[in-house]
Amino acid sequence: KNEVEQSPQNLTAQEGEFITINCSYSVGISALHWLQQHPGGGIVSLFMLSSGKKKHGRLIATINIQEKHSSLHITASHPRDSAVYICSLYKYQFYFGTGTSLTVIP
Amino acid sequence: SQTIHQWPATLVQPVGSPLSLECTVEGTSNPNLYWYRQAAGRGLQLLFYSVGIGQISSEVPQNLSASRPQDRQFILSSKKLLLSDSGFYLCAWTPGPGREQFFGPGTRLTVL
Repeated sequence: KNEVEQSPQNLTAQEGEFITINCSYSVGISALHWLQQHPGGGIVSLFMLSSGKKKHGRLIATINIQEKHSSLHITASHPRDSAVYICSLYKYQFYFGTGTSLTVIP
Repeated sequence: SQTIHQWPATLVQPVGSPLSLECTVEGTSNPNLYWYRQAAGRGLQLLFYSVGIGQISSEVPQNLSASRPQDRQFILSSKKLLLSDSGFYLCAWTPGPGREQFFGPGTRLTVL
């Protein structure tokens, strides 16, 4: 049983589209993280949140603690957004989703 | 500012050979350190974590080991590599439990 489930697994979008990636989890958490893994393998942290909503540029992350659900939105998607997006949560240790592979086509 | 280094970037090793991957962090003290493995098409698997010098916790039984000889140095080792050890190895650090994780550039290991 995976404590973190992401959907969709793969996503292809046209440039400019609004994108939503979902993350559901089964454990009570202290914090949830959204990570971005570039094609070369490097991983960067996009957001850490424990409630509400955070925005950074064209990226928006929301979390609903009661429903154990988080979403990552990308507005006006661009080919450079193509990457794997990973949901991670912390409850005494880090748990990771298997990632959503996003391809944005020009 | 803090930076995290990992080397080598890529490694091709024969089955049965030893392994040593090194990770160092700069610009912080007492970091929590992590080793992860990512097999092709799979999620991140926690291998080891450390909250201090000489303190290592293992999450998965395997033929790998880890050591933390200095506060900001974390080493992943094996005496004899298996084919199944192939993968992408990532080192990461956090300033504390549940805090933002910072990842190194990773080492892509191929065992032949």
